[in-house]
Amino acid sequence: SAVISQKPSRDICQRGTSLTIQCQVDSQVTMMFWYRQQPGQSLTLIATANQGSEATYESGFVIDKFPISRPNLTFSTLTVSNMSPEDSSIYLCSVEGDTDTQYFGPGTRLTVL
Amino acid sequence: ELKVEQNPLFLSMQEGKNYTIYCNYSTTSDRLYWYRQDPGKSLESLFVLLSNGAVKQEGRLMASLDTKARLSTLHITAAVHDLSATYFCAVDGETSGSRLTFGEGTQLTVNP
Repeated sequence: SAVISQKPSRDICQRGTSLTIQCQVDSQVTMMFWYRQQPGQSLTLIATANQGSEATYESGFVIDKFPISRPNLTFSTLTVSNMSPEDSSIYLCSVEGDTDTQYFGPGTRLTVL
Repeated sequence: ELKVEQNPLFLSMQEGKNYTIYCNYSTTSDRLYWYRQDPGKSLESLFVLLSNGAVKQEGRLMASLDTKARLSTLHITAAVHDLSATYFCAVDGETSGSRLTFGEGTQLTVNP
């Protein structure tokens, strides 16, 4: 299994500011994924982050709003830029383990005022 | 576009009863996952189903996969209060490259 940590675990931010969320995995993984879970909703994939290449974004998500870095095989960051209250969500990173299972980090709970 | 539908979305049941949650998906899949989420928590992996006819069981939960019908079920046997949570199915489509599409989730409440 993969052990994933995220920082911060939660934050309250002002409208118009940006927040960078970190995701650290205890083993090297090829792909890391970033998901968003809006209040009371299911999870939606934001982007796939591969080391050494630009992230691939899903429909409805753009790099200017959600820039992603993937500097090595154990770490990634997601930035939520120019935040509005609609960005209030839980942001989760996930990785694929070696037993065909996808593991999720503990999530970052973001509230935008 | 891959679509994943769960039903029911809300389920209230009594302890000791049995029930089934259904997960339908619209295209061929490589893998189907079931996750549990407790309030304010992240997702806990329950099952990964890889092939047609796959059945996995853990305690009071049993998951199955019918790839021809594009249907997975999560069966709850003799429910207990500790099973109260939201259950998600998620599909890794054949061309998705491990990118998961989630169902809406089933909020399960088990009443004493």
